[in-house]
Amino acid sequence: QITLKESGPTLVKPTQTLTLTCTLSGYSLSSSGVGVAWIRQPPGKALEWLALIYWNDDTRYSPSLKNRLTVTKDTSKNQVFLTLSNMDPVDTATYYCAHPKMIRGVINGFDPWGQGTLVTVSA
Amino acid sequence: HSVLTQPPSVSGAPGQRVTISCTGSSSNIGADYGVWWYQQVPGAAPKLLIFDDNNRPSGVPDRFSGSKSGTSASLAITGLQPEDEADYYCQSYDNSLSVWVFGGGTKLAVL
Repeated sequence: QITLKESGPTLVKPTQTLTLTCTLSGYSLSSSGVGVAWIRQPPGKALEWLALIYWNDDTRYSPSLKNRLTVTKDTSKNQVFLTLSNMDPVDTATYYCAHPKMIRGVINGFDPWGQGTLVTVSA
Repeated sequence: HSVLTQPPSVSGAPGQRVTISCTGSSSNIGADYGVWWYQQVPGAAPKLLIFDDNNRPSGVPDRFSGSKSGTSASLAITGLQPEDEADYYCQSYDNSLSVWVFGGGTKLAVL
C-alpha cells in the first residue's frame, strides 16, 4: 500500500523560504519509472500542480513558479523535499505530495495523495 | 482562471443523476490526454474517482462514471447519496503549457 505524508512548518514569514518534506512508504524512489508530485490548494480555491521529480532526478516545474521552486530527493530515506523561496501571503495553501500514475508510459494523474499540510504566510 | 473549465456548482436530490462537465482545449483533453476526476470532501485530501477518462479504481462505486468527447469530459453520478456532497475536480495534461492542469472544481450539493 502506497502512502505519502507531508511535514514542515505551518507558519512562515513573508520573504522566507519554505521547505516541506514528503515521506513515502510502499514504493521506492530508486525504482525506475516512479516519482513524486507536489500540488497545492489555497483556502477555498482550486488545486494547482507545482512540480514533479522522477526516480532519475529529472524534475518538472510549473512555469509560473519555476524561478522559486526546487524539488530534490533523498533516496536512502525515501523522502522528497520541496523548497519555495521568497514566500508571500498568496502562497498560503495546503501543500500535498502525491504519487504520479503512469498510463501507457506517460504520467497522467495522481494517486494516492498525502493528507496535506497547511502553510500560512504571515508576518 | 483554470485551464479546464467546470461549473462552480451542481445540485440534485437523493437518488437523482447529475453530471459535471470539464471543458478544455486542443492542447489538453483534445490532445487525447487522459482525464482524471477527484472527489474532495471538506478537510480531506482529494481522492481518485475516475482515471484515464472512464476507469474506476477498485472501491469506487459504479454510480460514478466518466466520459470524454473532443475537448470536453464529463463525470456522471447516479443514485445520488448524501455522502456524495463534496468538491469534484477534473485534471489532465496540457502539452502547450507543459503542466498538469486542474479544473476550478465543482461543489455538489445533495438537496
